[in-house]
Amino acid sequence: AQKITQTQPGMFVQEKEAVTLDCTYDTSDQSYGLFWYKQPSSGEMIFLIYQGSYDEQNATEGRYSLNFQKARKSANLVISASQLGDSAMYFCAMRGGFSGNTPLVFGKGTRLSVIA
Amino acid sequence: DAGVIQSPRHEVTEMGQEVTLRCKPISGHNSLFWYRQTMMRGLELLIYFNNNVPIDDSGMPEDRFSAKMPNASFSTLKIQPSEPRDSAVYFCASTFRSQEGLRQGLSQPQHFGDGTRLSIL
Repeated sequence: AQKITQTQPGMFVQEKEAVTLDCTYDTSDQSYGLFWYKQPSSGEMIFLIYQGSYDEQNATEGRYSLNFQKARKSANLVISASQLGDSAMYFCAMRGGFSGNTPLVFGKGTRLSVIA
Repeated sequence: DAGVIQSPRHEVTEMGQEVTLRCKPISGHNSLFWYRQTMMRGLELLIYFNNNVPIDDSGMPEDRFSAKMPNASFSTLKIQPSEPRDSAVYFCASTFRSQEGLRQGLSQPQHFGDGTRLSIL
């Protein structure tokens, strides 16, 4: 079984600053994938970034990067140069196994508020 | 390309009524997931299908809930009879099961519909 823990219910960041959203995970699987999703106030779930357990490099996608520390079982999301449009809920999720057709297990989420 | 399409976007109905939520996955995707989001429990899996076959329905709360996937392009989630505690946002998501290997398979993200906001009065 997998478990995701997001310990920050809410965070504030100044516009143009960087922010780190924490995520720790627990799994007995040797191979697994870690995902971050964004949920704006309109409600849709938007895929942001992926990190595989075998990936040696930290994933990056534009202003998003994933600080993956396998030994510590953490997969923190870093958003650089925050924008007002980044205000949203952010969910860390994972799945284990060997294919893409297993369910995601989600954390409780972190609400990020970007201040002008 | 069209994303995952869910209908209706909003549903308000009275306790005891039957509710049917619909989902059209992305064309070519072969896995479909139903999730429910509430403030108390967060996002939780209800049921998922691979190649139209239900694989795990252990998340379905009780016999009042049922789900079907009669073909690759359509799925329904039905609640009968509905209760106020069923009020939540219901998401459908789909993904493609890659045959290319371990890393490619795990990396496939799930694509979510916009959700159905269900309110049972």
